[in-house]
Amino acid sequence: NAGVTQTPKFQVLKTGQSMTLQCAQDMNHEYMSWYRQDPGMGLRLIHYSVGAGITDQGEVPNGYNVSRSTTEDFPLRLLSAAPSQTSVYFCASSPWGQNSPLHFGNGTRLTVT
Amino acid sequence: QQQVKQSPQSLIVQKGGISIINCAYENTAFDYFPWYQQFPGKGPALLIAIRPDVSEKKEGRFTISFNKSAKQFSLHIMDSQPGDSATYFCAASSAGGSEKLVFGKGTKLTVNP
Repeated sequence: NAGVTQTPKFQVLKTGQSMTLQCAQDMNHEYMSWYRQDPGMGLRLIHYSVGAGITDQGEVPNGYNVSRSTTEDFPLRLLSAAPSQTSVYFCASSPWGQNSPLHFGNGTRLTVT
Repeated sequence: QQQVKQSPQSLIVQKGGISIINCAYENTAFDYFPWYQQFPGKGPALLIAIRPDVSEKKEGRFTISFNKSAKQFSLHIMDSQPGDSATYFCAASSAGGSEKLVFGKGTKLTVNP
């Protein structure tokens, strides 16, 4: 049972480039979410989804897009990378929402130069 | 506005000692208070959670104390071990989903042998 799998583990982008961070879960969880973790800032919610076809914005959504075409996958797209998006990104899933235990992936460390 | 204030930022404890991490919140709509533990290079993992209908919850060496009137909750780690060295995050949300899960900024715990 792999849980939540994030790829890639590391990525370096130049300003203005776009990319997609992949997230897949094999637990049949309805709820999936993306967080960014910055030093001294804790975890901040970017986008979340309560089921296939349904997404919504979190606390810091600007510069990011998401879609949820299947229960298993929840990719995060950076449209035009900026240095302010240098961070560690975590994908998480849970059975029925934010008030059930979140299962986190091991993160993607992104550097934008 | 920081919705959940966590302190201290870092904590050093001797093996066998008690580690105490505190969190405070303002939003009275919050009714779910989890704690997450994160080891370096890994995603956070749920450690223990409490709802406001109880004042204390214990799981092994980990105890959450909750003070609804003071809007504070804390994590106590009894008989702290070097393996407990990690970053701990408190969080809060509302069951109805009107308030998204928000995290404190984290406490880096070091337990010296």
